[in-house]
Amino acid sequence: GAGVSQSPSNKVTEKGKDVELRCDPISGHTALYWYRQSLGQGLEFLIYFQGNSAPDKSGLPSDRFSAERTGGSVSTLTIQRTQQEDSAVYLCASSLVRDNYEQYFGPGTRLTVT
Amino acid sequence: AQSVAQPEDQVNVAEGNPLTVKCTYSVSGNPYLFWYVQYPNRGLQFLLKYITGDNLVKGSYGFEAEFNKSQTSFHLKKPSALVSDSALYFCAVRDYGGSGNTGKLIFGQGTTLQVKP
Repeated sequence: GAGVSQSPSNKVTEKGKDVELRCDPISGHTALYWYRQSLGQGLEFLIYFQGNSAPDKSGLPSDRFSAERTGGSVSTLTIQRTQQEDSAVYLCASSLVRDNYEQYFGPGTRLTVT
Repeated sequence: AQSVAQPEDQVNVAEGNPLTVKCTYSVSGNPYLFWYVQYPNRGLQFLLKYITGDNLVKGSYGFEAEFNKSQTSFHLKKPSALVSDSALYFCAVRDYGGSGNTGKLIFGQGTTLQVKP
């Protein structure tokens, strides 16, 4: 079946612009996660959605970052007024709680802020 | 707070030799442990997990990992390495968090495995 998909695969933007990154989880997966992978920083948790519960936003690095999940499926991560330090690969993952949190990752979006 | 450590940035091994990629963890409850692999320009792929039961867990591509509670370790192993195993490997632990089981993962810094012919 289809895996997690993300778009765009690459995004180059100018400092100060807003960007939107999209994630389509595996159909039926109730949990959705965003992570950021930066050089020298490893993988960093950003935000988590589970069903209709309030999202866990504890990993968002600043108020320039926000995310939403519409209809319990597609999610959009928005970065406002991008900074060079936002350059990273943004990874989305989805899972079924009953699978003991085994997460399936998308290919990522490589964001470059110039 | 939960944490994971991968003490080696890089592991080099000759093809056909056994390989070990090290991981140690620190958790406040029962650990849920995972290994993921990332090939160049690809997302993370699940290899295996330990939830409960046998300490030796078998996963994809011939990999296995041994859970050692006394040493708080979860080392990844393979009896005979292939050149195609060369990739970046991440160990992860489920975070319990103050709000309960969110399922989010805390990752180690990653270990680059280089298998030479």
